[in-house]
Amino acid sequence: KAGVTQTPRYLIKTRGQQVTLSCSPISGHRSVSWYQQTPGQGLQFLFEYFSETQRNKGNFPGRFSGRQFSNSRSEMNVSTLELGDSALYLCASSLVRGGHNEQFFGPGTRLTVL
Amino acid sequence: DQQVKQNSPSLSVQEGRISILNCDYTNSMFDYFLWYKKYPAEGPTFLISISSIKDKNEDGRFTVFLNKSAKHLSLHIVPSQPGDSAVYFCAARLLQVRSGGSNYKLTFGKGTLLTVNP
Repeated sequence: KAGVTQTPRYLIKTRGQQVTLSCSPISGHRSVSWYQQTPGQGLQFLFEYFSETQRNKGNFPGRFSGRQFSNSRSEMNVSTLELGDSALYLCASSLVRGGHNEQFFGPGTRLTVL
Repeated sequence: DQQVKQNSPSLSVQEGRISILNCDYTNSMFDYFLWYKKYPAEGPTFLISISSIKDKNEDGRFTVFLNKSAKHLSLHIVPSQPGDSAVYFCAARLLQVRSGGSNYKLTFGKGTLLTVNP
Protein backbone atom coordinates (compact mmCIF):
# COMPACT_ATOMS: atom_id res chain seq x y z
CA LYS A 1 0.00 0.00 0.00
CA ALA A 2 1.51 3.33 -1.00
CA GLY A 3 2.15 5.77 1.82
CA VAL A 4 1.21 9.40 2.11
CA THR A 5 2.81 11.43 -0.65
CA GLN A 6 3.45 15.14 -0.68
CA THR A 7 4.48 17.35 -3.57
CA PRO A 8 6.65 19.18 -4.07
CA ARG A 9 9.29 18.05 -1.58
CA TYR A 10 11.14 21.35 -1.68
CA LEU A 11 10.00 24.82 -2.59
CA ILE A 12 11.60 28.25 -2.58
CA LYS A 13 9.43 31.35 -2.73
CA THR A 14 9.82 35.04 -2.03
CA ARG A 15 7.87 37.21 0.38
CA GLY A 16 4.44 38.19 -0.85
CA GLN A 17 4.04 35.21 -3.14
CA GLN A 18 1.56 32.45 -2.61
CA VAL A 19 2.13 28.71 -2.56
CA THR A 20 0.05 25.55 -2.94
CA LEU A 21 1.15 22.26 -1.43
CA SER A 22 -0.38 18.92 -2.29
CA CYS A 23 -1.01 15.78 -0.28
CA SER A 24 -2.24 12.40 -1.41
CA PRO A 25 -3.41 10.24 1.51
CA ILE A 26 -3.15 6.51 1.80
CA SER A 27 -5.78 4.86 -0.34
CA GLY A 28 -9.02 4.58 1.61
CA HIS A 29 -8.09 7.20 4.17
CA ARG A 30 -10.59 10.00 4.35
CA SER A 31 -9.07 12.24 6.97
CA VAL A 32 -6.17 14.53 6.09
CA SER A 33 -4.46 16.79 8.59
CA TRP A 34 -1.81 19.41 7.98
CA TYR A 35 0.96 20.42 10.36
CA GLN A 36 3.73 23.02 10.36
CA GLN A 37 7.09 22.13 11.86
CA THR A 38 9.63 24.82 12.74
CA PRO A 39 12.68 24.65 15.01
CA GLY A 40 11.24 27.28 17.33
CA GLN A 41 7.64 26.10 17.63
CA GLY A 42 7.90 22.40 16.95
CA LEU A 43 4.93 20.67 15.35
CA GLN A 44 1.77 22.72 15.17
CA PHE A 45 -1.62 21.65 13.93
CA LEU A 46 -3.00 23.62 10.98
CA PHE A 47 -6.27 21.95 10.03
CA GLU A 48 -8.02 18.66 9.40
CA TYR A 49 -10.23 17.74 6.47
CA PHE A 50 -12.68 14.88 6.36
CA SER A 51 -15.03 14.15 3.50
CA GLU A 52 -14.13 17.41 1.75
CA THR A 53 -15.02 19.51 4.78
CA GLN A 54 -12.70 21.31 7.16
CA ARG A 55 -13.42 19.76 10.53
CA ASN A 56 -10.91 21.41 12.74
CA LYS A 57 -8.56 24.37 12.58
CA GLY A 58 -5.51 25.40 14.53
CA ASN A 59 -4.41 28.89 15.52
CA PHE A 60 -3.06 30.11 12.21
CA PRO A 61 -4.02 33.27 10.32
CA GLY A 62 -6.43 33.24 7.41
CA ARG A 63 -3.51 33.30 4.96
CA PHE A 64 -3.38 29.56 5.56
CA SER A 65 -6.19 27.69 3.87
CA GLY A 66 -6.86 24.29 2.46
CA ARG A 67 -9.30 22.07 0.72
CA GLN A 68 -10.00 18.43 0.12
CA PHE A 69 -11.21 16.82 -3.06
CA SER A 70 -13.64 13.97 -3.55
CA ASN A 71 -10.74 11.52 -3.90
CA SER A 72 -9.50 12.68 -0.46
CA ARG A 73 -6.46 14.40 -1.90
CA SER A 74 -5.83 17.68 -0.15
CA GLU A 75 -4.15 20.95 -0.95
CA MET A 76 -2.90 23.62 1.38
CA ASN A 77 -2.48 27.21 0.27
CA VAL A 78 -0.51 30.00 1.90
CA SER A 79 -1.00 33.48 0.52
CA THR A 80 1.14 36.57 1.00
CA LEU A 81 4.10 34.57 2.21
CA GLU A 82 6.18 35.86 5.11
CA LEU A 83 9.70 34.90 6.12
CA GLY A 84 8.30 33.15 9.19
CA ASP A 85 6.34 30.76 6.99
CA SER A 86 9.57 28.94 6.19
CA ALA A 87 8.99 25.50 7.63
CA LEU A 88 8.43 21.83 6.97
CA TYR A 89 4.77 21.25 6.16
CA LEU A 90 3.58 17.78 7.00
CA CYS A 91 0.45 16.06 5.88
CA ALA A 92 -1.01 13.07 7.72
CA SER A 93 -3.87 10.78 6.82
CA SER A 94 -6.03 8.42 8.81
CA LEU A 95 -8.98 6.23 8.12
CA VAL A 96 -11.32 8.05 10.47
CA ARG A 97 -11.64 11.45 12.02
CA GLY A 98 -9.51 11.77 15.13
CA GLY A 99 -7.71 8.52 14.36
CA HIS A 100 -4.43 9.86 15.66
CA ASN A 101 -3.05 6.52 16.74
CA GLU A 102 -3.52 5.40 13.15
CA GLN A 103 -2.23 8.55 11.57
CA PHE A 104 0.40 8.19 8.87
CA PHE A 105 2.58 11.12 7.95
CA GLY A 106 4.07 12.03 4.61
CA PRO A 107 7.70 13.12 4.23
CA GLY A 108 6.74 16.79 4.16
CA THR A 109 7.31 19.77 1.91
CA ARG A 110 10.22 22.00 2.89
CA LEU A 111 9.20 25.60 2.14
CA THR A 112 11.79 28.33 2.19
CA VAL A 113 10.64 31.94 1.96
CA LEU A 114 13.33 34.44 0.93
CA ASP B 1 1.14 29.38 25.99
CA GLN B 2 2.72 26.02 25.38
CA GLN B 3 0.39 23.34 26.67
CA VAL B 4 2.72 20.42 25.93
CA LYS B 5 6.35 20.76 26.90
CA GLN B 6 9.37 18.62 26.28
CA ASN B 7 12.00 20.38 28.33
CA SER B 8 14.96 18.36 27.15
CA PRO B 9 15.87 19.21 23.56
CA SER B 10 18.32 16.32 23.43
CA LEU B 11 19.26 13.13 25.23
CA SER B 12 22.23 10.83 24.75
CA VAL B 13 22.35 7.26 26.09
CA GLN B 14 24.49 4.19 25.67
CA GLU B 15 23.25 1.22 23.69
CA GLY B 16 21.56 -1.31 25.95
CA ARG B 17 20.68 1.25 28.62
CA ILE B 18 17.30 2.78 29.31
CA SER B 19 16.16 5.95 27.53
CA ILE B 20 13.64 8.09 29.37
CA LEU B 21 11.92 10.86 27.47
CA ASN B 22 9.78 13.26 29.43
CA CYS B 23 6.77 15.38 28.62
CA ASP B 24 4.71 17.78 30.73
CA TYR B 25 1.32 19.23 29.97
CA THR B 26 -0.91 21.88 31.44
CA ASN B 27 -4.42 21.11 30.21
CA SER B 28 -6.17 18.54 32.40
CA MET B 29 -8.80 18.04 29.68
CA PHE B 30 -6.42 16.14 27.40
CA ASP B 31 -7.90 12.67 26.98
CA TYR B 32 -5.20 10.85 25.05
CA PHE B 33 -1.44 11.09 24.75
CA LEU B 34 0.75 9.89 21.93
CA TRP B 35 4.42 9.55 21.14
CA TYR B 36 5.80 9.89 17.63
CA LYS B 37 9.26 9.17 16.30
CA LYS B 38 10.78 11.15 13.46
CA TYR B 39 13.86 10.36 11.41
CA PRO B 40 15.49 13.09 9.29
CA ALA B 41 13.81 13.65 5.91
CA GLU B 42 10.83 11.53 6.94
CA GLY B 43 7.47 12.33 8.46
CA PRO B 44 6.74 11.36 12.07
CA THR B 45 5.54 7.84 12.73
CA PHE B 46 3.20 6.86 15.52
CA LEU B 47 4.95 4.93 18.27
CA ILE B 48 2.73 4.36 21.28
CA SER B 49 -0.21 6.00 23.02
CA ILE B 50 -2.01 6.02 26.33
CA SER B 51 -5.50 6.95 27.38
CA SER B 52 -5.91 9.41 30.23
CA ILE B 53 -7.73 6.73 32.23
CA LYS B 54 -4.62 4.53 32.34
CA ASP B 55 -1.24 5.01 33.93
CA LYS B 56 0.85 2.63 31.87
CA ASN B 57 0.94 1.16 28.41
CA GLU B 58 3.61 -1.22 27.18
CA ASP B 59 4.52 -2.32 23.67
CA GLY B 60 7.69 -4.32 23.35
CA ARG B 61 10.67 -2.19 24.30
CA PHE B 62 8.49 0.91 24.64
CA THR B 63 6.50 1.82 27.75
CA VAL B 64 4.62 5.03 28.36
CA PHE B 65 3.79 6.13 31.90
CA LEU B 66 1.18 8.73 32.74
CA ASN B 67 1.04 10.62 36.02
CA LYS B 68 -2.13 12.67 35.85
CA SER B 69 -1.70 14.38 39.19
CA ALA B 70 1.68 15.68 38.07
CA LYS B 71 0.49 16.23 34.48
CA HIS B 72 3.53 14.32 33.33
CA LEU B 73 4.17 11.46 30.98
CA SER B 74 7.31 9.64 30.06
CA LEU B 75 8.45 7.22 27.39
CA HIS B 76 10.84 4.47 28.42
CA ILE B 77 12.85 2.57 25.84
CA VAL B 78 14.55 -0.54 27.16
CA PRO B 79 17.02 -1.60 25.94
CA SER B 80 17.97 1.34 23.75
CA GLN B 81 19.32 0.57 20.29
CA PRO B 82 21.24 2.79 17.85
CA GLY B 83 18.25 2.57 15.47
CA ASP B 84 16.18 4.37 18.09
CA SER B 85 18.17 7.53 17.44
CA ALA B 86 15.56 10.03 16.24
CA VAL B 87 13.48 13.00 17.36
CA TYR B 88 10.63 11.98 19.65
CA PHE B 89 7.50 14.09 19.85
CA CYS B 90 4.98 13.94 22.63
CA ALA B 91 1.41 14.90 21.68
CA ALA B 92 -1.78 15.40 23.63
CA ARG B 93 -5.30 15.15 22.30
CA LEU B 94 -8.20 17.38 23.26
CA LEU B 95 -11.82 16.64 22.47
CA GLN B 96 -13.66 19.67 21.16
CA VAL B 97 -17.44 19.44 21.10
CA ARG B 98 -19.16 21.78 18.70
CA SER B 99 -22.64 22.20 17.31
CA GLY B 100 -21.64 20.40 14.13
CA GLY B 101 -20.05 17.49 15.95
CA SER B 102 -16.98 16.69 17.93
CA ASN B 103 -13.38 17.01 16.88
CA TYR B 104 -10.05 16.08 18.28
CA LYS B 105 -7.14 18.46 18.28
CA LEU B 106 -3.52 17.37 18.73
CA THR B 107 -0.98 19.58 20.45
CA PHE B 108 2.66 18.60 20.10
CA GLY B 109 5.74 19.25 22.15
CA LYS B 110 8.85 20.60 20.43
CA GLY B 111 10.55 17.23 20.43
CA THR B 112 13.58 15.60 22.01
CA LEU B 113 16.50 14.37 19.94
CA LEU B 114 17.56 10.96 21.23
CA THR B 115 21.00 9.69 20.33
CA VAL B 116 21.85 6.11 21.21
CA ASN B 117 25.58 5.51 21.08
CA PRO B 118 26.93 2.05 20.15
